[in-house]
Amino acid sequence: AQTVTQSQPEMSVQEAETVTLSCTYDTSESNYYLFWYKQPPSRQMILVIRQEAYKQQNATENRFSVNFQKAAKSFSLKISDSQLGDTAMYFCAFMKDNNAGNMLTFGGGTRLMVKP
Amino acid sequence: DVKVTQSSRYLVKRTGEKVFLECVQDMDHENMFWYRQDPGLGLRLIYFSYDVKMKEKGDIPEGYSVSREKKERFSLILESASTNQTSMYLCASSLLGLAGNQGRSFGAGTRLSVL
Repeated sequence: AQTVTQSQPEMSVQEAETVTLSCTYDTSESNYYLFWYKQPPSRQMILVIRQEAYKQQNATENRFSVNFQKAAKSFSLKISDSQLGDTAMYFCAFMKDNNAGNMLTFGGGTRLMVKP
Repeated sequence: DVKVTQSSRYLVKRTGEKVFLECVQDMDHENMFWYRQDPGLGLRLIYFSYDVKMKEKGDIPEGYSVSREKKERFSLILESASTNQTSMYLCASSLLGLAGNQGRSFGAGTRLSVL
């Protein structure tokens, strides 16, 4: 079974600064996918960024980037130039490859507050 | 964008009541999921379905059942609600197979309080 751990229940950052959210996972799989999801206070969860484990290059989506360390089983999310709209719960998630049911295992979440 | 709609944002029910949570998606996704979200525990999978009339248990199915009579609709049923089922419930959908590895779409959630 896979486990996903987010060790920071809450974080805060000043607007325009950079913040990094940590995520570690445990698996015996060699091929898998990792995701970061954002859940704003309105509650609808959206996909922020996705990483395929067999790709060495770290994924980037505008101000969001990841630091994927496969050997260390670490998948941190960096938010640059933080904006007030980044205030949300952030969930790290793991999905095995060859997974017909597309089963996701979620971490416990990190609540991020961006302060003006 | 896929739209996943949950019929209620907030529900208050009494212990022992039968509760129905409805979810509809409009993009012909094969997979549909019901999660429960609790502080510090993240999202835990209750049930999922990969086709009409098909269902599979997730990590915490006890006390719940589901129904998928049509591809676009996935219902979560609490046969006899209990106070420990007070939680936020999220519905999600995704494509089947490799295409589903692109991620999934979530509804806005239903906050259920059982008194």
